[in-house]
Amino acid sequence: DTAVSQTPKYLVTQMGNDKSIKCEQNLGHDTMYWYKQDSKKFLKIMFSYNNKELIINETVPNRFSPKSPDKAHLNLHINSLELGDSAVYFCASSQGNRGLNTEAFFGQGTRLTVV
Amino acid sequence: AQKITQTQPGMFVQEKEAVTLDCTYDTSDPSYGLFWYKQPSSGEMIFLIYQGSYDQQNATEGRYSLNFQKARKSANLVISASQLGDSAMYFCAMRGNRDDKIIFGKGTRLHILP
Repeated sequence: DTAVSQTPKYLVTQMGNDKSIKCEQNLGHDTMYWYKQDSKKFLKIMFSYNNKELIINETVPNRFSPKSPDKAHLNLHINSLELGDSAVYFCASSQGNRGLNTEAFFGQGTRLTVV
Repeated sequence: AQKITQTQPGMFVQEKEAVTLDCTYDTSDPSYGLFWYKQPSSGEMIFLIYQGSYDQQNATEGRYSLNFQKARKSANLVISASQLGDSAMYFCAMRGNRDDKIIFGKGTRLHILP
């Protein structure tokens, strides 16, 4: 069983389109994240949710809107896609015990290409 | 603000040798966790090892060990007896106790030479 699964794995779309990436975790974790990995492999946190509540929003353009229908799901919707949005987007989850040995488990990533 | 610094963008190491990947961090949180992840060319993020800021002993997981020096704010990853399959990007990460944010360094690309 996949612990953190995100779909789709690849997404190619035109500028200006709206797209969504879905994420589900079956680990019973309280906290879920979205990260963006750029072409230089830098991993930048975008959002963090704890029990469906937005905790962290790292000055991401408001074209990006996360939605958490329940604590096992965190979807990412992107409006009006731009070329600079091309990246690999990772979903992750962890138990919400701050500072303790609660590593994040990552999905396999979604490679978004905007043309 | 929290910060993770990995100063080695790339390293080449002969197979079977030990390798140390550097990581320094900065935080004002009284307690925190430090992590290392491996990202092979296939792209997935693989958790390797964890060190808590109050742990008295350095963490070890098989061939991985974490050389934790709290006063120097460093958390270097040591891989013993390197293998070809260790070739990958390696990320150091930190989680403070004030929020659930896990931040990453820029990574080190490790190449193991046969």
